[in-house]
Amino acid sequence: ILNVEQSPQSLHVQEGDSTNFTCSFPSSNFYALHWYRWETAKSPEALFVMTLNGDEKKKGRISATLNTKEGYSYLYIKGSQPEDSATYLCAFGPGSQGNLIFGKGTKLSVKP
Amino acid sequence: DSGVTQTPKHLITATGQRVTLRCSPRSGDLSVYWYQQSLDQGLQFLIQYYNGEERAKGNILERFSAQQFPDLHSELNLSSLELGDSALYFCASSVGASGSKEQYFGPGTRLTVT
Repeated sequence: ILNVEQSPQSLHVQEGDSTNFTCSFPSSNFYALHWYRWETAKSPEALFVMTLNGDEKKKGRISATLNTKEGYSYLYIKGSQPEDSATYLCAFGPGSQGNLIFGKGTKLSVKP
Repeated sequence: DSGVTQTPKHLITATGQRVTLRCSPRSGDLSVYWYQQSLDQGLQFLIQYYNGEERAKGNILERFSAQQFPDLHSELNLSSLELGDSALYFCASSVGASGSKEQYFGPGTRLTVT
């Protein structure tokens, strides 16, 4: 059974703090790794898709790295803002089809 | 707004009944995915269609079926409903069929089975 683990489950930080989360996935049969941001009462929104070992992606204050050999990805948020409060999901693509295996997410709360 | 639409937004029905959830993908997207989000579970992949053809299948129950029509909208049919089928059902779309393309999620349909 393919499993995607995310840690921590939840995180409470102060505005201005930088933070990072981890996504662990099987290192075999890797095809793609996705990160999504999911705000309460909304639907998941794509942040990044990474396919190559060593990939680094950045969008504003958010960045992500990928290590396919050891099966992990990090998501970093620099200078967290209250509007960054959301659940961050990672999803592993085990093959060339589009089916994704999602982790349960890291819930981030940023206090003003 | 992702451009993916889903109807209805909420659905309340009784055990044993059958319901149909509808999804229209973003303009230009050929792939449609269905996911189920139950309490305390992550998003579970159910099925993928690409340009009208089934492309990948996840842990979809035999009581559930889906199809994608020539205009690319998709329907997920859930029959002989059980209490445990209560969940949030998301549809997502992407431009291609492979996992290297980001998926755009609709607002979801919340199904409550009583």
